[in-house]
Amino acid sequence: EADIYQTPRYLVIGTGKKITLECSQTMGHDKMYWYQQDPGMELHLIHYSYGVNSTEKGDLSSESTVSRIRTEHFPLTLESARPSHTSQYLCASSDGGRAGANVLTFGAGSRLTVL
Amino acid sequence: KQEVTQIPAALSVPEGENLVLNCSFTDSAIYNLQWFRQDPGKGLTSLLLIQSSQREQTSGRLNASLDKSSGRSTLYIAASQPGDSATYLCAVGGSNDYKLSFGAGTTVTVRA
Repeated sequence: EADIYQTPRYLVIGTGKKITLECSQTMGHDKMYWYQQDPGMELHLIHYSYGVNSTEKGDLSSESTVSRIRTEHFPLTLESARPSHTSQYLCASSDGGRAGANVLTFGAGSRLTVL
Repeated sequence: KQEVTQIPAALSVPEGENLVLNCSFTDSAIYNLQWFRQDPGKGLTSLLLIQSSQREQTSGRLNASLDKSSGRSTLYIAASQPGDSATYLCAVGGSNDYKLSFGAGTTVTVRA
C-alpha cells in the first residue's frame, strides 16, 4: 500500500544529543516537505525537496538539516537538540506540479521533546 | 507574505447540526486552496482541493466554497457526526511557488 512513514513517532531526548527523524514514502513522489507544528499553531514549512540531491530551506528558519539521496527518503537531522526544538515534525510528499496542485500526503508525524 | 486565518479557533455542536468553518487569506493571487483534517496526534488527511478557477468542491457531506477576490473559503459539513470531531486546517497554495501556507485550524467537537 502506498504511504508515507515517519519514525520515531515519539522521542524524548536530552539537550545536546544528535537526532534524526526518518521519513520514507512508497509513492515515487518527487516532492517532499518537512513542516513544524506547535500545539494549536499553524504548520510552518522548514525544508523541502523537488528531487534527488535538491533541498531548500522553507519559510521558518530551522537549525535542522535534511538530505535527499534517494527519491523515497528525506531524513531530518538536528546535530545538537535543545528544548526550543520541542515540537511536532510532519513530513509530506506530492507528485509533480505545484505543492498544492496535487494532493499532499502527510505522515503521522514525529513528536519530539527535548529536556 | 500570505497570512491565513481560521475563525473560530474552536467549535462545539450537537450531533446532526451543520458545521460552517471559515478561512480567510490576505493575498488573492493563489493557485489553489486545500482543506485538511487532523486527528489528535496524527498527520493531516486531505479533504478537498479547490483550484483557483473553481468556486466550490463537494465530497459526500463536505462542501467547500472559494471566493478568491474576497480572500475567503468556507467548509460546510452537513449533518455532523461525533466522528467529525477533529481539527480542520485550511492551506493556500501560492501562485508563484510550490509552498502551502496553513491556517492554525478550527478544532471541532461534535457532541453525541
